[in-house]
Amino acid sequence: AQSVSQHNHHVILSEAASLELGCNYSYGGTVNLFWYVQYPGQHLQLLLKYFSGDPLVKGIKGFEAEFIKSKFSFNLRKPSVQWSDTAEYFCAVLSYNTDKLIFGTGTRLQVFP
Amino acid sequence: DAGITQSPRHKVTETGTPVTLRCHQTENHRYMYWYRQDPGHGLRLIHYSYGVKDTDKGEVSDGYSVSRSKTEDFLLTLESATSSQTSVYFCAISESGGQGHSPLHFGNGTRLTVT
Repeated sequence: AQSVSQHNHHVILSEAASLELGCNYSYGGTVNLFWYVQYPGQHLQLLLKYFSGDPLVKGIKGFEAEFIKSKFSFNLRKPSVQWSDTAEYFCAVLSYNTDKLIFGTGTRLQVFP
Repeated sequence: DAGITQSPRHKVTETGTPVTLRCHQTENHRYMYWYRQDPGHGLRLIHYSYGVKDTDKGEVSDGYSVSRSKTEDFLLTLESATSSQTSVYFCAISESGGQGHSPLHFGNGTRLTVT
């Protein structure tokens, strides 16, 4: 069965620090990969997605992610975080064959001014 | 935002009672999903639908049933609510599922408390 691992459960940064959140998945077939963000009290919003092509994808608000197929990884990065990036971040894998979007357990990011 | 409406937004119910949550979409998307969100577990898929009357189980389907009699509505029923089903429930929709390139869009959630 497919699964998604997010190893960083809680990350605390100061504004302007760089961010990298890890995501690894276990599934051998074709997958689509996503990062979603959930701001406090809100629903999930799509941050970025990877389907095919260039493994470095850019999303909204200056976020980017790199798909490394050999490592089954899809890490999220941002060069300089802001206080407004405080939120919970979820990595997700959509299997080509099952139509099921499976989420990791999430990483809570706190950014202090 | 995608046209997804979940109802009710909040519900408190007693153990053993049946509860039905509704997800309504105006996008005419084929795929609809029900997730529950719990601290430390992220979002877990309960059931999903790939068309009218076509549904399948997710990771945590025990104690839940679903129905989809028309494209726009996807109902989640807790047949006999238990305290372990206290959670925030999110509905999501997708145009093309796993074989397409459209992401899932989420509703605002239903906070359910079972006492």
